[in-house]
Amino acid sequence: SQQGEEDPQALSIQEGENATMNCSYKTSINNLQWYRQNSGRGLVHLILIRSNEREKHSGRLRVTLDTSKKSSSLLITASRAADTASYFCATNNQAGTALIFGKGTTLSVSS
Amino acid sequence: DAGITQSPRHKVTETGTPVTLRCHQTENHRYMYWYRQDPGHGLRLIHYSYGVKDTDKGEVSDGYSVSRSKTEDFLLTLESATSSQTSVYFCAISLIGPQSVDGYTFGSGTRLTVV
Repeated sequence: SQQGEEDPQALSIQEGENATMNCSYKTSINNLQWYRQNSGRGLVHLILIRSNEREKHSGRLRVTLDTSKKSSSLLITASRAADTASYFCATNNQAGTALIFGKGTTLSVSS
Repeated sequence: DAGITQSPRHKVTETGTPVTLRCHQTENHRYMYWYRQDPGHGLRLIHYSYGVKDTDKGEVSDGYSVSRSKTEDFLLTLESATSSQTSVYFCAISLIGPQSVDGYTFGSGTRLTVV
């Protein structure tokens, strides 16, 4: 079963706006990761946040983690048309041996 | 993607035939994974490997088998293809597994259609 679930399923914004997507998960985690997938391509790793971290930045990306609520958010600031993609969160399975992915949020950024 | 290739990129096969997909890496990573991606389901783990000849099942392993006889190759076999196995299959690699700060590196996928 899915460990992480993203929300919303789809998001449409204008260039320059910020995009926020959320991920909820069910069981304890070691870390939480976010990936991007452009249409017809494989997933690309964006950022990892450990369970003992609350916030992490990478360029225009900001990730937060609230382990008490079992949730994370990914903020993309000043969105560009090139940010159009699907975004997935991933957490470890219960055995800690593999990543389990959510169903993704599809982001459309129009110019 | 650099260091990981999947073959074939596209395949159409008939119901009941065996099919083998190949994932090849040049990164010498220990961990390799097979996922399938379907609309409405996201990515689901089929099988994974944590070393040569060491494999384990994922959440949707029924109807699939894997083999890893060399570090660089991880093969996924559909023993008798069914229409429900029509999907896009992704291979991923990782140096140290889910704890890797660099995450997984994914291949470009194999689009399989079973008719």
